[in-house]
Amino acid sequence: GQNIDQPTEMTATEGAIVQINCTYQTSGFNGLFWYQQHAGEAPTFLSYNVLDGLEEKGRFSSFLSRSKGYSYLLLKELQMKDSASYLCAVMDSNYQLIWGAGTKLIIKP
Amino acid sequence: IAGITQAPTSQILAAGRRMTLRCTQDMRHNAMYWYRQDLGLGLRLIHYSNTAGTTGKGEVPDGYSVSRANTDDFPLTLASAVPSQTSVYFCASSDSPSGGTDTQYFGPGTRLTVL
Repeated sequence: GQNIDQPTEMTATEGAIVQINCTYQTSGFNGLFWYQQHAGEAPTFLSYNVLDGLEEKGRFSSFLSRSKGYSYLLLKELQMKDSASYLCAVMDSNYQLIWGAGTKLIIKP
Repeated sequence: IAGITQAPTSQILAAGRRMTLRCTQDMRHNAMYWYRQDLGLGLRLIHYSNTAGTTGKGEVPDGYSVSRANTDDFPLTLASAVPSQTSVYFCASSDSPSGGTDTQYFGPGTRLTVL
């Protein structure tokens, strides 16, 4: 079967750095996406990785290792507005997104 | 530009009733999707459409039907609602169905409660 695993919840302090991990087992791989979802709102796109390595976009970075079936999202200089759920999704061989259950990130002052 | 709109925002429905959730996008995207999101679970694909006139089944299609008469609209119908269909429903669209760097953009969601 297909499976995306990520921690259910994480807590971090404002101004700090947090890393949210995602491991996956899917039938085929056509890229990995990270989305942010604030409570009661729609998911919004953060990043996309299809090749191994690090993609940096401002305070957010995403890393992929295809051989290990592993990705992480790195958030730097955390702000209170970063409190949200972070969703990892893999595009499988049928070009359908398989979604993890999401990691709820709580930022404390 | 509105992006993707969904209606209604929320709905309480009696079991056995028929319900259509509406989704409209103004981005001229080829592909559209319907997901449901339940607590503790990832988004699950119900149905999708790669282009106007075509539809396909996702992971959890039973009890739902869709149509894609034109590029902009992708309604989701529950023919006879059951309590297990209580969920938040998201419509999404993307420019191409074949992934790559193609991003899915989401509507604001419909919160449906079936009693």
